[in-house]
Amino acid sequence: GAVVSQHPSWVICKSGTSVKIECRSLDFQATTMFWYRQFPKQSLMLMATSNEGSKATYEQGVEKDKFLINHASLTLSTLTVTSAHPEDSSFYICSATDDGSYEQYFGPGTRLTVT
Amino acid sequence: GQQLNQSPQSMFIQEGEDVSMNCTSSSIFNTWLWYKQDPGEGPVLLIALYKAGELTSNGRLTAQFGITRKDSFLNISASIPSDVGIYFCAGRWGGADGLTFGKGTHLIIQP
Repeated sequence: GAVVSQHPSWVICKSGTSVKIECRSLDFQATTMFWYRQFPKQSLMLMATSNEGSKATYEQGVEKDKFLINHASLTLSTLTVTSAHPEDSSFYICSATDDGSYEQYFGPGTRLTVT
Repeated sequence: GQQLNQSPQSMFIQEGEDVSMNCTSSSIFNTWLWYKQDPGEGPVLLIALYKAGELTSNGRLTAQFGITRKDSFLNISASIPSDVGIYFCAGRWGGADGLTFGKGTHLIIQP
């Protein structure tokens, strides 16, 4: 149980285009999901908190107009990187909080490369 | 954003040796967590600590939640090759909060 999936697992896009990444909790409901970013050989940094049915909360320094988050259901959150640039290339990882246990479960990550 | 101070940054050990790593914070957390991350994958939870002073084991892994709530350590006994990877500590204030991660400890096991 407690599986979180991400799609796609990797994506290459051209500079200036937008990319959508999906995060799904497969066997539990998650009112709250989180998006993290991890640059090579670095730690995970929290980008934003995604709440079902309400606006996301962004960490300081994260542009909300560039990283659009939609939490349309209790099992799905999406992160859209708009007008992507090479410096947005990173490993994006989501986590979902089980509404029953408050445990956070991480997805396998999405490798974004912007050329 | 804030990062926790995790040390050592990397460890080169022989198979069978014990490993110890720790994490400190300038602020208090109510939950400390330890994760392992393999290349290209998401982190996997190893141990979760919920009370100050708590000592918890998971097989060969033992972790403690510091009494001040500003630190934690992880010990791995009798290391084996599959222990290779990057270990992260993480702290959380409230149950619905995101995690603050340490910078990671890269464990390398020499045959």
